[in-house]
Amino acid sequence: DAEITQSPRHKITETGRQVTLACHQTWNHNNMFWYRQDLGHGLRLIHYSYGVHDTNKGEVSDGYSVSRSNTEDLPLTLESAASSQTSVYFCASSPGQGYLGTQYFGPGTRLLVL
Amino acid sequence: DQQVKQNSPSLSVQEGRISILNCDYTNSMFDYFLWYKKYPAEGPTFLISISSIKDKNEDGRFTVFLNKSAKHLSLHIVPSQPGDSAVYFCAAHSGAGSYQLTFGKGTKLSVIP
Repeated sequence: DAEITQSPRHKITETGRQVTLACHQTWNHNNMFWYRQDLGHGLRLIHYSYGVHDTNKGEVSDGYSVSRSNTEDLPLTLESAASSQTSVYFCASSPGQGYLGTQYFGPGTRLLVL
Repeated sequence: DQQVKQNSPSLSVQEGRISILNCDYTNSMFDYFLWYKKYPAEGPTFLISISSIKDKNEDGRFTVFLNKSAKHLSLHIVPSQPGDSAVYFCAAHSGAGSYQLTFGKGTKLSVIP
């Protein structure tokens, strides 16, 4: 069955380190998204991509970057991890042009920055 | 400025009764609305959606109502079951070539046996 996976599921890192969170989907979806979920804030969009080599900033993009070299993967990099980036990160995907709305989410990565 | 608002952080309902979760939005360009359900330690899962051209959509125990003039939507769960206990997120899509969703902060529903 097609799916969307995230790795690692849990990560502990230190302030200042570079961290990369992986997201892989097998639906062949054009659109991919990264969110963070924090208490009192719901889901906030970090970065998104509408296709290979396309990347865009979301609401809370500072300190994060993404790259899209193929359809299946959208890794999220924290260039220099900060304690404020302790959060749960969700990747999502959706089909491309002509399709409205529904995004399908991965299981999440819980990141702790010490 | 929060464009999608879920003003009730939590809601408790007895098993078998109706659960009503509310969502308000401010952006009149939103054309499609979705509800997601999230269990702890899992990703959100799509529950039900409604287009702005409709005022009601039903799927089993779940019904979403849309009042465009009031910029308000609600999710009704009848009858509520303990397995419905989860966080529910309201989300809105703005169309016009965008595939982004704007999410509310969520409402934690507890269904008491």
